[in-house]
Amino acid sequence: GAVVSQHPSWVICKSGTSVKIECRSLDFQATTMFWYRQFPKQSLMLMATSNEGSKATYEQGVEKDKFLINHASLTLSTLTVTSAHPEDSSFYICSARRDRGQPQHFGDGTRLSIL
Amino acid sequence: QKEVEQDPGPLSVPEGAIVSLNCTYSNSAFQYFMWYRQYSRKGPELLMYTYSSGNKEDGRFTAQVDKSSKYISLFIRDSQPSDSATYLCAMSAQSGNTPLVFGKGTRLSVIA
Repeated sequence: GAVVSQHPSWVICKSGTSVKIECRSLDFQATTMFWYRQFPKQSLMLMATSNEGSKATYEQGVEKDKFLINHASLTLSTLTVTSAHPEDSSFYICSARRDRGQPQHFGDGTRLSIL
Repeated sequence: QKEVEQDPGPLSVPEGAIVSLNCTYSNSAFQYFMWYRQYSRKGPELLMYTYSSGNKEDGRFTAQVDKSSKYISLFIRDSQPSDSATYLCAMSAQSGNTPLVFGKGTRLSVIA
């Protein structure tokens, strides 16, 4: 077990549009979920950490009003990229963790292209 | 000096070879060590998860952690073309309170 589903896998939209990405832990309850961004041939960059029922903790340099995170349940977290612009185009990946002491399990990522 | 150093490769080996992938790190507080495999346009897949020093084996994969040298390794035996991917090491000081620090990943190609 430990399956994390991320949807959509690919989205193309016009500049100024808001885009919502969903991350679900399918076979376990995740007390903590994480959102990463990955540029081509680069490693993962942590954007924010969210605990169920709490406000997300954002990494330095990540605009919380730009990247809205909601972790409403133990199996679902959403990332909304508000008023997206071409520079927001990237590969966004979520991960989920059952509890402290457990490893993170990743979704398959969302490729976001803003025209 | 970066916290985690990983040779980006690319590393190309013939099918059936033993592959050795490595990371070095500078933070002596790291205690949790992971190896992830990432195929192109996919999310990372957890391969191995170890705590502190020692070895761990799972099928064709063996992970080694040497905290005294701040060095971790992943060995792949009888490598297959399907093992061709990017391998990321990751580590953290405490499992809950500190974020994962990733290496940049090593691109591996196993040639049939």
